[in-house]
Amino acid sequence: TQLLEQSPQFLSIQEGENLTVYCNSSSVFSSLQWYRQEPGEGPVLLVTVVTGGEVKKLKRLTFQFGDARKDSSLHITAAQPGDTGLYLCAGDHTDKLIFGTGTRLQVFP
Amino acid sequence: DTEVTQTPKHLVMGMTNKKSLKCEQHMGHRAMYWYKQKAKKPPELMFVYSYEKLSINESVPSRFSPECPNSSLLNLHLHALQPEDSALYLCASSLTQGTPGYEQYFGPGTRLTVT
Repeated sequence: TQLLEQSPQFLSIQEGENLTVYCNSSSVFSSLQWYRQEPGEGPVLLVTVVTGGEVKKLKRLTFQFGDARKDSSLHITAAQPGDTGLYLCAGDHTDKLIFGTGTRLQVFP
Repeated sequence: DTEVTQTPKHLVMGMTNKKSLKCEQHMGHRAMYWYKQKAKKPPELMFVYSYEKLSINESVPSRFSPECPNSSLLNLHLHALQPEDSALYLCASSLTQGTPGYEQYFGPGTRLTVT
């Protein structure tokens, strides 16, 4: 069973702080997706990374795919309360997505 | 339009009831998925349909019965559920299944409570 471990599990920070979420596995993925989910709603796709070493930016969010395509990171600059939610990475492996364990982020004003 | 719709939003059912969850997308996607998500956990894959044929069944109990009437619709028929089946049920779709970089789009989910 492929596992995608995310760290930290929980993060509680003040508005304006920076943070990084990590997504690690021993398996290689052909691509990796990041989602944000708010309570009672479905996950919303943020980004897909495909190439090892790829970096993508989405406003204050920076996503990186590891060179070996086994890990990824999400960096948020100057976090805002609207960034609050559950962040999920998901690796594309043999016809299905393997979801990470999740990182719950709370940003206080 | 990247919208996946699900009905109902909330469902409460007894253990002897039969009910159905519905999912619809009009993005021309040919792969559709059912996931189950318990509180504070990531989504768990239940079923995958590819070109209207069941492609993956993740050893889901037979009290859950999926159906794909056409390329835009996905149903999940529920019968004789247990209280531990209470969860958020998510539908998703993607252009195809298994293509590297394919992106899954999720619906808002159905919150199911089994009493």
